[in-house]
Amino acid sequence: SQQGEEDPQALSIQEGENATMNCSYKTSINNLQWYRQNSGRGLVHLILIRSNEREKHSGRLRVTLDTSKKSSSLLITASRAADTASYFCATVSYNQGGKLIFGQGTELSVKP
Amino acid sequence: KAGVTQTPRYLIKTRGQQVTLSCSPISGHRSVSWYQQTPGQGLQFLFEYFSETQRNKGNFPGRFSGRQFSNSRSEMNVSTLELGDSALYLCASSLGWASGNSGTQYFGPGTRLTVL
Repeated sequence: SQQGEEDPQALSIQEGENATMNCSYKTSINNLQWYRQNSGRGLVHLILIRSNEREKHSGRLRVTLDTSKKSSSLLITASRAADTASYFCATVSYNQGGKLIFGQGTELSVKP
Repeated sequence: KAGVTQTPRYLIKTRGQQVTLSCSPISGHRSVSWYQQTPGQGLQFLFEYFSETQRNKGNFPGRFSGRQFSNSRSEMNVSTLELGDSALYLCASSLGWASGNSGTQYFGPGTRLTVL
């Protein structure tokens, strides 16, 4: 079962532009995580934000969390061709046994 | 430290057969989780093992099973394969119980299973 829904499903931008991806979820969460996946390979953990946090930064990544709207966004600034990948949000809810529940992902294409 | 390794990387089986996939976590990690990724269903949680015990299970039929050894290595078994079992199977390891608030999991490259 999918908890998160991501928007947009696909995004195409030019190098240097910013990319914003959104994730909405249905139940209360303990934390939300973002992962990147390059072309059918393993997932790479990008950032984790806890339910009592509103914003977090890591390098060119900025994540926000709005628990009242049950939504999160991932902003990648000054994108590079190497950022081309699929991006997934995943939620952790203790009332769902604490497992990671992934959204369907956003496919980001950054053109040089 | 070496990352999470999965073997084999690619596998082709026929319907009705069974398959065993292996996952070696990062050294020192005690939790291993398994996920199935398909184009239609996306990434779905299969189960999690911590200290040789299954701690959490997703909504998959009993044909999907797993185990964890004392060295934290884990195996996943699928019996009586169906065409719909074709997928990328990913395992992830974490230091503590993954379902705890630390939450960060480190994924392997996956095993691509094709069922003909």
